[in-house]
Amino acid sequence: GESVGLHLPTLSVQEGDNSIINCAYSNSASDYFIWYKQESGKGPQFIIDIRSNMDKRQGQRVTVLLNKTVKHLSLQIAATQPGDSAVYFCAEGFGGYSTLTFGKGTMLLVSP
Amino acid sequence: DAGITQSPRYKITETGRQVTLMCHQTWSHSYMFWYRQDLGHGLRLIYYSAAADITDKGEVPDGYVVSRSKTENFPLTLESATRSQTSVYFCASSTGTGEVGYTFGSGTRLTVV
Repeated sequence: GESVGLHLPTLSVQEGDNSIINCAYSNSASDYFIWYKQESGKGPQFIIDIRSNMDKRQGQRVTVLLNKTVKHLSLQIAATQPGDSAVYFCAEGFGGYSTLTFGKGTMLLVSP
Repeated sequence: DAGITQSPRYKITETGRQVTLMCHQTWSHSYMFWYRQDLGHGLRLIYYSAAADITDKGEVPDGYVVSRSKTENFPLTLESATRSQTSVYFCASSTGTGEVGYTFGSGTRLTVV
């Protein structure tokens, strides 16, 4: 199927390694941030979110870090597995509710 | 089944033809969205809707029309398809309150020839 990963920044890791995917967001007023995972031929899938009043939030094998000073967001995946291979997008929003703006994504390739 | 469903999954149409992409959600989410995804551009918002009969333009609305007569449906129409509208189209929905993360459909791959 069509690959949305072409021309994207790519991170290649070995199975079992920890992965860190970075995202620079654009709007200093954004107060809500989300990471999505998109596998080939599928729609984006919610992974984890964080509000601007937090610096860190942990989920199952994933951690999101937020640095508002430099408008930077990162997604850490512990013990990366081949099933983690996908394109990862960050998204930002602000206000009580707003539409989300998505980054262009990073492709994660996990080798067995 | 509960969820968000897009149809068709794949569509090939000719330049100048009208084509409608369907989106149906079973959660009664207030908000629904249409995005297109292209290499090098990521996900770009076409239109969104906050409730039935309320729609608003996104980043790239030209050449598209939407309607939302029922909460659960949000069709996207290309009135006169152009080759630049060849893309993968994603529909998403959200409650719009509290956690505002979207749930996406599986996408429609549209090719305009």
